[in-house]
Amino acid sequence: ELKVEQNPLFLSMQEGKNYTIYCNYSTTSDRLYWYRQDPGKSLESLFVLLSNGAVKQEGRLMASLDTKARLSTLHITAAVHDLSATYFCAVEITFGNEKLTFGTGTRLTIIP
Amino acid sequence: NAGVTQTPKFQVLKTGQSMTLQCAQDMNHEYMSWYRQDPGMGLRLIHYSVGAGITDQGEVPNGYNVSRSTTEDFPLRLLSAAPSQTSVYFCASSSPRTDYANTGELFFGEGSRLTVL
Repeated sequence: ELKVEQNPLFLSMQEGKNYTIYCNYSTTSDRLYWYRQDPGKSLESLFVLLSNGAVKQEGRLMASLDTKARLSTLHITAAVHDLSATYFCAVEITFGNEKLTFGTGTRLTIIP
Repeated sequence: NAGVTQTPKFQVLKTGQSMTLQCAQDMNHEYMSWYRQDPGMGLRLIHYSVGAGITDQGEVPNGYNVSRSTTEDFPLRLLSAAPSQTSVYFCASSSPRTDYANTGELFFGEGSRLTVL
């Protein structure tokens, strides 16, 4: 059974600081996704990481994937209040399986 | 663009009642799925479908039923609601990844918040 663990579960950080969210998964995976969810809202796709060593960046967020370590990171640079949200990683087991296993989420709060 | 549309957005049921959560997408996506979101547990897959007439169980299927008669619609039925089914339900869809280059990312509806008393 695939297990996906995120840490930390809660993160409170000051504006302007850098931090990293970690996503570990227990079995070999085809690809990994990062989603953002604002309170009471739907999930929005941020990144799709397709292969080992993949790195994607959008604004102050950068995601990377190490399939050998079964680890993905979401790095936040110079945090701003707008980044406050819950971030989920999700892992697909095998190509064409179309089933994602989600992590428990990291609730990020940016403090002015 | 409507994307993925879920109805109702809010619903309160009594234990034992049945109801159907509706999900429709206008992106011609073959893959559709239902997740439930509970505090501290992320999203868990209930049922999914890879095309009209084809459905399969996910991680937590008990107490739920689905059917897929058209590409656009994927309703989720609660047969006899229980308090443990109090949750936020998300429907999602994606295009089939017929080759490795397709991303397969899910597009989510706005969610349906269900309370079972």
